[in-house]
Amino acid sequence: DIQMTQSPSSLSASVGDRVTITCRASQGIRNDLGWYQQKPGKAPKRLIYAASSLQSGVPSRFSGSGSGTEFTLTISSLQPEDFATYFCLQHNSYPRITFGQGTRLEIK
Amino acid sequence: QVQLVESGGGVVQPGGSLRLSCAASGFTFNTYGMNWVRQAPGKGLEWVTFIRYDGSNKYYADSVKGRFTISRDNSKNTLYLQMTSLRVEDTAVYYCARAVRSGDLDYWGQGTLVTVSS
Repeated sequence: DIQMTQSPSSLSASVGDRVTITCRASQGIRNDLGWYQQKPGKAPKRLIYAASSLQSGVPSRFSGSGSGTEFTLTISSLQPEDFATYFCLQHNSYPRITFGQGTRLEIK
Repeated sequence: QVQLVESGGGVVQPGGSLRLSCAASGFTFNTYGMNWVRQAPGKGLEWVTFIRYDGSNKYYADSVKGRFTISRDNSKNTLYLQMTSLRVEDTAVYYCARAVRSGDLDYWGQGTLVTVSS
């Protein structure tokens, strides 16, 4: 199985901050990676697909980059509604997809 | 708009069975592969199973193989997960999620909680 190592596991930040979350794959996965936002009791929401493509309707403050084994999600200027948990998903080994462990983004 | 609504969760004893459903709307259900993904309390997400758009192929995580069965009824726009021989470690929120052609999951339901406890 392809292992996804996500860091940090938690992060405290303030409104207006720039934050970066990283996922590393145990082997090369091209750009077969998505980023998701999850809020308690809600359906996970896809933010980024194909490592760097912005999902329709998602604010442009979200961006993704990377290829191969290292990927980042960046939020350029945190808004109050962005405090949530974020996770990555690799689908290079589709259908046996795997996930990062998640990053809980909290208000400082 | 795409909607996926899970149901059927609850409390069951170890060794018991449960069937989850996922009602789909807002898209042509019989053209998409579908997944079940779960999240145990305080843990990360785990892929459970996938079924092709026409039900012709099914794949399972090793942790559930032989105990869980995925199926779909395209006439009812509904996905199912039959769970048998349930274990305490199967306790989780179960999500259904739509797969796009590349295997990425673009839409998810809100999940249904399964608790296996005596």
